[in-house]
Amino acid sequence: DVKVTQSSRYLVKRTGEKVFLECVQDMDHENMFWYRQDPGLGLRLIYFSYDVKMKEKGDIPEGYSVSREKKERFSLILESASTNQTSMYLCASSPRGVSGANVLTFGAGSRLTVL
Amino acid sequence: AQSVTQPDIHITVSEGASLELRCNYSYGATPYLFWYVQSPGQGLQLLLKYFSGDTLVQGIKGFEAEFKRSQSSFNLRKPSVHWSDAAEYFCAVGQPSGTYKYIFGTGTRLKVLA
Repeated sequence: DVKVTQSSRYLVKRTGEKVFLECVQDMDHENMFWYRQDPGLGLRLIYFSYDVKMKEKGDIPEGYSVSREKKERFSLILESASTNQTSMYLCASSPRGVSGANVLTFGAGSRLTVL
Repeated sequence: AQSVTQPDIHITVSEGASLELRCNYSYGATPYLFWYVQSPGQGLQLLLKYFSGDTLVQGIKGFEAEFKRSQSSFNLRKPSVHWSDAAEYFCAVGQPSGTYKYIFGTGTRLKVLA
């Protein structure tokens, strides 16, 4: 019944490493999102994609990039990981539908620790 | 600026007691409103949503929420809490203005005492 799958639940990386976080959805959704979740800050949008090869910056895109080569897959890339990127990363998807009215389906999250 | 405020960071209730989690939003028009729940180690799951119509909406797991336009609030309630309700709860706003961005509150962590 899993609909949004994040391939890595826990990762430990070193400062300066390149990190890939992968997300796959099987609901044929057009929209996919990457959020960062930190205590006391809630969820903050990093990047959003509304179609293959299309992306938009969210509220905190600095230090991150994304890739969407196929409809079902949305990758988050940390080109050079830093300790302040230690966090929980949540992927979500939604149908295109009416802007702002779509229910987000979330993955279980990827907890990244950068040493 | 648009914002969502959940004033209670932590709430502790006894099993069987009633629950109300507060959510206030700041937005020019009536937005789309959501409550999500995050169980430990899991992603967020939709509890309920409000788009229009009846201001009292029912969700899963026995939760309900009431939209009050005059107070810009969308509080979540449950008449009798179960131990399995211990989780973090997020209120969120969807903006009906041509954007797919959602604004999330900072969350309320619920602890349930046996």
